Amino acid sequence: KQEVTQIPAALSVPEGENLVLNCSFTDSAIYNLQWFRQDPGKGLTSLLLIQSSQREQTSGRLNASLDKSSGRSTLYIAASQPGDSATYLCAVRHRPRNNNDMRFGAGTRLTVKP
Amino acid sequence: DVKVTQSSRYLVKRTGEKVFLECVQDMDHENMFWYRQDPGLGLRLIYFSYDVKMKEKGDIPEGYSVSREKKERFSLILESASTNQTSMYLCASCQVGLAGANVLTFGAGSRLTVL
Repeated sequence: KQEVTQIPAALSVPEGENLVLNCSFTDSAIYNLQWFRQDPGKGLTSLLLIQSSQREQTSGRLNASLDKSSGRSTLYIAASQPGDSATYLCAVRHRPRNNNDMRFGAGTRLTVKP
Repeated sequence: DVKVTQSSRYLVKRTGEKVFLECVQDMDHENMFWYRQDPGLGLRLIYFSYDVKMKEKGDIPEGYSVSREKKERFSLILESASTNQTSMYLCASCQVGLAGANVLTFGAGSRLTVL
């Protein structure tokens, strides 16, 4: 059974720092991997989706990489801002249709201090 | 702007009460999902539906049932609420088919407290 782990559970950095969030998964036979952002008391917002054939995806200051063979993905945030403070979750999927097999990590709670 | 709307943001119920959590999406998505989110455990799938009147169990269906009478609406039902069902409940939807269309869209969540 796929297990998704995100370490650390919480991270605090000063504004302006570049940072990396980690996601590891035990079964490398994935279809895609998705990074989400969750603000306190709210739902999840999709940030980036990486297909299994891709190595990375970029959106603005965010860059997500995928190394299937080692079972790892990273989310790189450049020049962090207080508005980036949120919980970041990764999720992996194995099949192309339906999302019933998605497995989520518990998330990393990021605090960016002004 | 596409939306998944969960009607109740905060609910407080008593043990044994019947609880309905409603979710409506306006994107004509085929697939809809109910997750619960607990600290340190991430999101766990309770039930999902891939069409009207169709449903399948997720990882933790015990104590829950669902209803999908219309494409846009997916309801989660707790027949007899228990304290261990205190949690944040998240509804999501997505379209079946092209890989790029499989991105989940989430509602804002319903925080349920069972006393």
